Amino acid sequence: SQQGEEDPQALSIQEGENATMNCSYKTSINNLQWYRQNSGRGLVHLILIRSNEREKHSGRLRVTLDTSKKSSSLLITASRAADTASYFCATSGTYKYIFGTGTRLKVLA
Amino acid sequence: GAVVSQHPSWVICKSGTSVKIECRSLDFQATTMFWYRQFPKQSLMLMATSNEGSKATYEQGVEKDKFLINHASLTLSTLTVTSAHPEDSSFYICSACRTVETQYFGPGTRLLVL
Repeated sequence: SQQGEEDPQALSIQEGENATMNCSYKTSINNLQWYRQNSGRGLVHLILIRSNEREKHSGRLRVTLDTSKKSSSLLITASRAADTASYFCATSGTYKYIFGTGTRLKVLA
Repeated sequence: GAVVSQHPSWVICKSGTSVKIECRSLDFQATTMFWYRQFPKQSLMLMATSNEGSKATYEQGVEKDKFLINHASLTLSTLTVTSAHPEDSSFYICSACRTVETQYFGPGTRLLVL
């Protein structure tokens, strides 16, 4: 399966700063989802954006989608130490979800 | 929200033994479930799509005889790692589809093969 690419691979910021992660994918999609994973744990669903949507907000999260460039970004505003985790995008064309390589975010208190 | 459970949460076994991992959707029926494998500090790699009442669909490079999948009911899929070897040590995660857009993940099973 073809994975999406995420950048940066790792990101370290101070508490209160914003964190931006980018995801690029290769095939056409129905929707794109972002997940968070704390070390060694399961996945937490953050937000879903459909292919006909360009931007979505949920609390401190803002997701954009550019289907012409096959890319998406996740912005976390006013980051907290508890946001420290790995973040993955996952694209869906049909039922299958293909995960990106992930961004490891570390928020320093 | 919907709940998906996995059992066991972790397992240690000797090389050559078989290990069965269960994935259950607790409050909804799922005709489709997925099995993923995740190595340390890497992303989730889709192994196979499990369809209730039919054979699983395996991704390229995944040995179907090594990773046996059974989806006997609308709430249960099992993954059996046969003749496990140390290189099979990994974090195995399942997910269950409630709708085309909604996929709920289990908490994962950590397998260590000695």
